[in-house]
Amino acid sequence: QSVLTQPPSASGTPGQRVTISCSGSSSNIGNNFVYWYQQLPGTAPKPLIYRNNQRPSGVPDRFSGSKSGTSASLAISGLRSEDEADYYCAVWDDSLSSRVFGGGTKLTVL
Amino acid sequence: QVQLQQSGPGLVEPSQTLSLTCDISGDSVSSKSAAWNWIRQSPSGGLEWLGRTYYRSRLYNDYGDSVKSRITINPDTSRNQFSLQLNSVTPEDTAIYYCAREITAIGSLDYWGQGTLVTVSS
Repeated sequence: QSVLTQPPSASGTPGQRVTISCSGSSSNIGNNFVYWYQQLPGTAPKPLIYRNNQRPSGVPDRFSGSKSGTSASLAISGLRSEDEADYYCAVWDDSLSSRVFGGGTKLTVL
Repeated sequence: QVQLQQSGPGLVEPSQTLSLTCDISGDSVSSKSAAWNWIRQSPSGGLEWLGRTYYRSRLYNDYGDSVKSRITINPDTSRNQFSLQLNSVTPEDTAIYYCAREITAIGSLDYWGQGTLVTVSS
């Protein structure tokens, strides 16, 4: 059972906007930066968002991150078929003194 | 361009030690701005952070709670690599194991190894 809670699945049609939530606590999201990773089938995770809302170079601006209190969200606008992947949030947990991941959300593009 | 190349056996017997190595090119294991992580992904799909090693004024290690009593992560500056050892493995340790670089000023795991499927079975 993950310290961070994500919905197991999400879906949308091409062109739509979808959001994926990540819920934590004061010892993790409430006090530290949130990171998001995208994992395409059969590949290693790839960084998508760092420090709550920053995009690494090369990540399209269709992807955005936000944080409020002990929750965070990843938004994907202008959904495309190649966005079909698993998405994970991650954060440092002060109580556990370790990095923790959410359980992951499988995004399906209908 | 940073590249991480993993190596190690894909099959380990129960109660034995799982050992993997991650060769680094394009950066240094002794870098004062990076940390070197191990993460695994269970067959059910979830990611679990195992730990990291990094140099600042001295060598530091952080380990995940669930494996803290069984894990060692060591850097090897002469070979520019770092290793994972996980003792007393059980079938629950069957997973894809990844190494990854973290730029500590940013906190993101920006480069990952290719992943190694390790199966614990007799």
